[in-house]
Order: sequence, then C-alpha cells, then structure tokens
Amino acid sequence: TQLLEQSPQFLSIQEGENLTVYCNSSSVFSSLQWYRQEPGEGPVLLVTVVTGGEVKKLKRLTFQFGDARKDSSLHITAAQPGDTGLYLCAGATTGGQNFVFGPGTRLSVLP
Amino acid sequence: NAGVMQNPRHLVRRRGQEARLRCSPVKGHSHVYWYRQLPEEGLKFMVYLQKENIIDESGMPKERFSAEFPKEGPSILRIQQVVRGDSAAYFCASSSTGSYGYTFGSGTRLTVV
Repeated sequence: TQLLEQSPQFLSIQEGENLTVYCNSSSVFSSLQWYRQEPGEGPVLLVTVVTGGEVKKLKRLTFQFGDARKDSSLHITAAQPGDTGLYLCAGATTGGQNFVFGPGTRLSVLP
Repeated sequence: NAGVMQNPRHLVRRRGQEARLRCSPVKGHSHVYWYRQLPEEGLKFMVYLQKENIIDESGMPKERFSAEFPKEGPSILRIQQVVRGDSAAYFCASSSTGSYGYTFGSGTRLTVV
C-alpha cells in the first residue's frame, strides 16, 4: 500500500506571507498531482508533475517534484485569502491507473 | 456539460435503505473513479471503471457496495442497506487518459440517519 504524508496538517498565516507545504512518501510515483479543495466542493487540479527534479510555476505557486520522485513541495508566494483551502497531493504508482491521495494540508490565509 | 456532474448533491437515507449516487463524466472521458471523503480527511479510492468494465475495485467494501458505468448513461455507485458509517462525501472524477489528472465533481453528501 502506497502512503502519502502531508505536512503541516494545518497552517494559518497572514496575507502576504510565504509558505511551503510538503508531500512525502516511501514509494516512487510515476506522476504526482496537487489539488485544492474548497468547502463543499470537489478538488480542483492545480498541476501534474512527472519528471524527477521538475519545477512548475503557476502564478504565485511553485511546485517541485523530488529527484527520486518520492516527494513534492508546493510553495506559495505572497499568500492571499483566496488561497485558503485544503491542499491535497496525489501520487500514481508506476503502471498505476488510479491515484493515492494524501490527507491534505488545510491552509487558512487571514486578511 | 463542461464538467463532471454528480447528483444528488445531498442525500439523506435511513438505516437499511439503498443509496444511489450518479455521476456523468466530462463529455468524451471514458475513465471514471469514485472516492469517499470523511470530514477532515483526505480522499479514499473506491473503484475505477471504464465503459462497461470495472478495472479496479480494491478500495470498495465487498458487501453492500457496487458500481457500474454502462455503455449509455451515467456511472452509478450503489450502497445497499446503508449504515451510519456510510455517511460521507462521495466524489466522482473522470479523465480521458487515466494517467494525467482528474476532473472532479462537486460530490454527493450522504447522511444516514
């Protein structure tokens, strides 16, 4: 069973601060995704990373996939209240057709 | 139909009744996944289907739960003889390739009373 851990579990910061959340596993993933989920809604895909060491930027969000494809990080610059939500990482094992989700990091950005 | 449509959004059932959850995938998507989410927890994989076939049901309880994705019509997740522990949000997702990202629906929130 592949398990994903995410840290921190909860994070509360002021608007304008920077933050990094982490996704770790002992398993190698063929690809890894980050989602954001708002209360009462389904997760929304932010990014997919597939290559070890890959870095992707999406406006103020920077995603990094570890060289060994076992871990990933999400860095948010100058956080805004609209960034509030549950951030989930999900990994697909090599040859796998479905994704295993981590428990998520619940981010609260205060104005 | 720009996204994944799930209905109903909220479903209340008494213990012992049946719950039927429907999911219409993004047009053109042939891969459908069902996940369950308990409050303050992540998503737990239940089942992966392609048209008329169950590909992986390793996350679905062996009893009372079943899923289908017929040639025509939506995917259905059926829970028979519901118990209070079945109360959760059930999310459906679809994809075109099965590998590079899902589109999720807004979920069905099942409450068993």
